[in-house]
Amino acid sequence: GAGVSQTPSNKVTEKGKYVELRCDPISGHTALYWYRQSLGQGPEFLIYFQGTGAADDSGLPNDRFFAVRPEGSVSTLKIQRTERGDSAVYLCASSLSGGPNTEAFFGQGTRLTVV
Amino acid sequence: AQKITQTQPGMFVQEKEAVTLDCTYDTSDPSYGLFWYKQPSSGEMIFLIYQGSYDQQNATEGRYSLNFQKARKSANLVISASQLGDSAMYFCAMSYYNQGGKLIFGQGTELSVKP
Repeated sequence: GAGVSQTPSNKVTEKGKYVELRCDPISGHTALYWYRQSLGQGPEFLIYFQGTGAADDSGLPNDRFFAVRPEGSVSTLKIQRTERGDSAVYLCASSLSGGPNTEAFFGQGTRLTVV
Repeated sequence: AQKITQTQPGMFVQEKEAVTLDCTYDTSDPSYGLFWYKQPSSGEMIFLIYQGSYDQQNATEGRYSLNFQKARKSANLVISASQLGDSAMYFCAMSYYNQGGKLIFGQGTELSVKP
């Protein structure tokens, strides 16, 4: 399909393990965003890429979280030494230009469960 | 600090009736945008409608309209002629013109449409 694709859709991991979450944005979209949505809450911003560079990483909660977008398309969110509090749905979105009035298209998310 | 407030955790509406979902925001920046997204149980965020802070007219998109009251800092979503498929979570969100499309979300309102 032509939408934002996130893999895996579900991930269960043990506390302390390392995980990678992948986002494949809509082709041609230069802006890519990661959000985290805890149960019963609205999504919280994590990081924003414009092209290959992280334009705003102010939402990353700590240095266990890191994201890359090496070729300006696919992005990977990496979480080291996972904790139970990291359990949430991780949403990826992309937009054509990253402008303030530009519609962001979201993927269906990766549900991460840390046991 | 909470920037977007949605005070209705849950709402019920009869099919074919109109419903208003409330959203207030807090900012001193004059340049911002307001969005509404729908999140069905499948988890994907679906864009509904956008209002820029300098827009003179209230935004409309089909059955959706945004009641923008700038002085009151409110951006309520009105859904006319509710349908069963409108049952979902609804999120109000804000972006700033100088922050590249990053969205700040409210906590959401769960809408249930009764047949």
